[in-house]
Amino acid sequence: NAGVTQTPKFRVLKTGQSMTLLCAQDMNHEYMYWYRQDPGMGLRLIHYSVGEGTTAKGEVPDGYNVSRLKKQNFLLGLESAAPSQTSVYFCASSRTLAGFPHPYNEQFFGPGTRLTVL
Amino acid sequence: KNQVEQSPQSLIILEGKNCTLQCNYTVSPFSNLRWYKQDTGRGPVSLTIMTFSENTKSNGRYTATLDADTKQSSLHITASQLSDSASYICVVSGGTALIFGKGTTLSVSS
Repeated sequence: NAGVTQTPKFRVLKTGQSMTLLCAQDMNHEYMYWYRQDPGMGLRLIHYSVGEGTTAKGEVPDGYNVSRLKKQNFLLGLESAAPSQTSVYFCASSRTLAGFPHPYNEQFFGPGTRLTVL
Repeated sequence: KNQVEQSPQSLIILEGKNCTLQCNYTVSPFSNLRWYKQDTGRGPVSLTIMTFSENTKSNGRYTATLDADTKQSSLHITASQLSDSASYICVVSGGTALIFGKGTTLSVSS
């Protein structure tokens, strides 16, 4: 059981370049999330998915796009990277929607991707 | 406005000592509160979940408390170990929202 995996672990981009971050989970979870974590700030939700083929915007969605073509995968795309997108990106999955009042709303996080945009 | 405030921002203690981390929230409605541990360079891992009716819950050397009336939670670490060095994040569920605190960074030195 690998849990939640993310690729790549590190990436350096130049302003204007594009890239895709891949998240995979093997727990058969319906719900998946992308967060960014910046120094001195809490985790902030970028986009999330409540099931295969569905996505929704989170707190800070601008500049990012996502796709959930398969239940186990959740992709995060940056179309034209900007220095403000330098951050650590975490993917997470959960059995039920994380904000719901249910004990199974525990989120399982991946190891993160450290992205630097020059 | 839904908010989760954690204190202190950072803490340094000697190995073997106890410490307590605080989490105050203004999230409404309240569903549950989780404490996550995040090791450097890793993703957060859940330590414990507190629901409205629970006052205290332990997970090994970690004990979480919840006072739903004052909207405060604490995480007490007993007999700290070097491996406890990490960030501890308080996350509150309210309705369908999930509110993250900024975390407390704990450093345990020998």
